[in-house]
Amino acid sequence: GAVVSQHPSWVICKSGTSVKIECRSLDFQATTMFWYRQFPKKSLMLMATSNEGSKATYEQGVEKDKFLINHASLTLSTLTVTSAHPEDSSFYICSASRGTGGGYTFGSGTRLTVV
Amino acid sequence: QQQVKQSPQSLIVQKGGISIINCAYENTAFDYFPWYQQFPGKGPALLIAIRPDVSEKKEGRFTISFNKSAKQFSLHIMDSQPGDSATYFCAASMSNTGKLIFGQGTTLQVKP
Repeated sequence: GAVVSQHPSWVICKSGTSVKIECRSLDFQATTMFWYRQFPKKSLMLMATSNEGSKATYEQGVEKDKFLINHASLTLSTLTVTSAHPEDSSFYICSASRGTGGGYTFGSGTRLTVV
Repeated sequence: QQQVKQSPQSLIVQKGGISIINCAYENTAFDYFPWYQQFPGKGPALLIAIRPDVSEKKEGRFTISFNKSAKQFSLHIMDSQPGDSATYFCAASMSNTGKLIFGQGTTLQVKP
């Protein structure tokens, strides 16, 4: 149980275009989902926290207009990288919380390459 | 206050040996301390987690030791195997925010 599906697993896009990444909790309801960014050989850096039905809370230094997060249902959160540029190339990972004491389940990540 | 410091950055262990990774934190409000294993190109997978009311937790070959007064916790991998070669992250979170803060990561290589 507690599976989080993240799609796509990799995407290549042209500079200036937008890319949407989906994160779904398959067998549980996730009131809170988190989005992380990870550079090669580095740790996971929290970008934002999204709660179902409300606006996402972004970490300091994360551009909310560039990284649009939507959490429209208890099982789906999306991250849209708008007007992508090569410096946005990274590994993006989502995580879903099963509530207090329930732990966190991570998606398999999305490798974004902007050319 | 929000940092979790992890060491060593990299570790090489012989097959059958014990791998030990350490983490330290400052914020005493943290109340959940998980360890994750990550393979290249994959998301982190939970190995084992502990809460501050317990000093040790063991699951198979993996043991967490937790020292609340020192604000430190460590992961011990017994009988390390080549398949354990991966990057390991400690993390910490507090119930009121739910945010999971990661350590810097340790790349473990287990030599056959």
